[in-house]
Amino acid sequence: AAGVIQSPRHLIKEKRETATLKCYPIPRHDTVYWYQQGPGQDPQFLISFYEKMQSDKGSIPDRFSAQQFSDYHSELNMSSLELGDSALYFCASRAIGLAGDNEQFFGPGTRLTVL
Amino acid sequence: GNSVTQMEGPVTLSEEAFLTINCTYTATGYPSLFWYVQYPGEGLQLLLKATKADDKGSNKGFEATYRKETTSFHLEKGSVQVSDSAVYFCALRGGTSYGKLTFGQGTILTVHP
Repeated sequence: AAGVIQSPRHLIKEKRETATLKCYPIPRHDTVYWYQQGPGQDPQFLISFYEKMQSDKGSIPDRFSAQQFSDYHSELNMSSLELGDSALYFCASRAIGLAGDNEQFFGPGTRLTVL
Repeated sequence: GNSVTQMEGPVTLSEEAFLTINCTYTATGYPSLFWYVQYPGEGLQLLLKATKADDKGSNKGFEATYRKETTSFHLEKGSVQVSDSAVYFCALRGGTSYGKLTFGQGTILTVHP
């Protein structure tokens, strides 16, 4: 079965650089969520999109922005990177538009290291 | 707001021992409750879930019962295996349709042969 795809899997950046993380949801899933997991921490919700519109916003820094495109893939753009942005970034997708209690399926994550 | 509290970890057990990982939550309304497992270097996998009070979720020998009176969703397994070694996260999804997850701090489980 198709899963959530994230790219790249690993990314190394310098301070003050920019980074773009991509997420390709499971086919026919209409909702994407982004989470940030710091070392030894629990995942923290950043932002979500439903049908290409922002649906909820969590603890996402102003330096970050995200969008969902017409093909439902999503990109998380991170600017002016700081050391504290080093983390595992998860994308999850869900099919809210379908009947039933549909779950979030997580991608493998992108590990961002800021030097 | 919503919050999830897991028992202090890590937990170290011998193979075939009984496992309990405590989870309590604070939420308005009627949240859905989940346990996710994260193996080293991998993403989060849904282990089990419960969507209403007194529901019992189960999978791969793991069980958890949604207890509204004690706002708890403790994870149990009667006989753990070395392959169960992982990080376990309790999570809740609130009542809004768009459903972000709120996670507990995670519990590291190590099972020795």
